[in-house]
Amino acid sequence: EVQLVESGGGLIQPGGSLRLSCSASGFTFNIYAIHWVRQPPGRGLEYVSAINYNGDTTYYADSVKGRFTISRDNSKNTLYLQMSSLRADDTAVYYCVKDRGGLIRDMDVWGQGTTVTVSS
Amino acid sequence: QTVVTQEPSLTVSPGGTVTLTCASSTGAVTSGYYPNWFQQKPGQAPRALIYGTSNRHSWTPARFSGSLLGGKAALTLSGVQPEDEAEYYCLLYCGDGQVFGGGTKLTVL
Repeated sequence: EVQLVESGGGLIQPGGSLRLSCSASGFTFNIYAIHWVRQPPGRGLEYVSAINYNGDTTYYADSVKGRFTISRDNSKNTLYLQMSSLRADDTAVYYCVKDRGGLIRDMDVWGQGTTVTVSS
Repeated sequence: QTVVTQEPSLTVSPGGTVTLTCASSTGAVTSGYYPNWFQQKPGQAPRALIYGTSNRHSWTPARFSGSLLGGKAALTLSGVQPEDEAEYYCLLYCGDGQVFGGGTKLTVL
C-alpha cells in the first residue's frame, strides 16, 4: 500500500524555522516526483513546492520562494521541506503528495498532513 | 502568477448531472496544462480523481469524468450520489509551477 506520512509540524514563532519530513513507503520512491501542498484553516488548497524524481528540478510558489527549500533523500525514502522566516500566513496543514511519474505533472496519493501554526 | 478560477458553489439533485469548470487567467486551458481534479470532504485529506485532463485513477468511480469544454477544464458528475457532496479542486500545470483553483463546494440536495 502506498503511504506518505508527514511529520515535523508544530507551533513556531514568527521569523522561526521548521523542517517538515515526509516518509514514503509502498512504492519505489526514487522514480517519482513529490509535491508539498498546504491548506490554511478554513481555506482552499495552495501549491507550495515540488521536486522531480532525482532532485535536480524544483518548483516553488511565489509566496514561499526564497524562504522554503524542498529536498529529498532517496536512500531514506524521505522528502523534506525546510521552512524559514515563517509568517502567520504560513499557518496551514501541509500535505505531502506523490506524483504519478518522475516529472512534476499529476498528483495521485496524498498523506494525511501535518499542522504548522505560526504564532507568538 | 496564473490565477485559476472555479465556480464557488453548485447544487445538484441526487441522480442528476453537474459540470464543474476550471479556467486559467492566461487563456484557454489545453491538455498541456495537465488538468487534475481532487475531492475533499470535511476533516479529510484531498483525494485525487482525475489526471491528465480525462484519466481516472484506479479508485475513481466511473460517474466522474474529465474533459476540456469551451476553453476550460471540466469535471462532470453523472448520476450524482449523496456522498459526492464535497469540495472539488482543479490543478493546472502552468509551466513555472502548478496552481490550484479556489475550489467548488458541491451540494447534493
